[in-house]
Amino acid sequence: KQEVTQIPAALSVPEGENLVLNCSFTDSAIYNLQWFRQDPGKGLTSLLLIQSSQREQTSGRLNASLDKSSGRSTLYIAASQPGDSATYLCAVRPIGSRLTFGEGTQLTVNP
Amino acid sequence: DAGVTQSPTHLIKTRGQQVTLRCSPKSGHDTVSWYQQALGQGPQFIFQYYEEEERQRGNFPDRFSGHQFPNYSSELNVNALLLGDSALYLCASSFVAGGSQETQYFGPGTRLLVL
Repeated sequence: KQEVTQIPAALSVPEGENLVLNCSFTDSAIYNLQWFRQDPGKGLTSLLLIQSSQREQTSGRLNASLDKSSGRSTLYIAASQPGDSATYLCAVRPIGSRLTFGEGTQLTVNP
Repeated sequence: DAGVTQSPTHLIKTRGQQVTLRCSPKSGHDTVSWYQQALGQGPQFIFQYYEEEERQRGNFPDRFSGHQFPNYSSELNVNALLLGDSALYLCASSFVAGGSQETQYFGPGTRLLVL
């Protein structure tokens, strides 16, 4: 059974800091991995999708890496801003469409 | 393009009642998945519908059932509500032919409170 773990559960940083969120998964037989952002009480916004054959994806200040063999992914946020405050969720997809999510990292960026 | 829409946004029910939640997928999408997200946890997969049939199911009891209509919209029904069913219910749509590049787009969710 696939299990996804995210560390840390919560993170508070001052504005402008670079930071790394971690995600690990137990079964390396994945199709892809996605990072989502969730604002309080809202739905999920997809940030980055990494195919199983890829090592990383970048979008603006965000960079996600994937090491499938070790079952790890990181989300790097550069020059953090207060607007980045949200919960960040990692989800892996095996063959088929169901996603398995971690419990998220709650990020607070202080002005 | 309105993206994925869900209704209602909020709902309050009492134990034992039945509830129906609705989802309209993003334009061009043919697959709808439902997830339950309890407070402080990641979403849990309930089931997925494609071509009006349930294709995959997570570890949820038969009290949870669904339907997909010819226009690809979907309903989630929960019978005999329990306090533990209180959660944010998320709908996600995708295009099955997208393969490994398929991205699931999520709606804003329906917040269900069972008293």
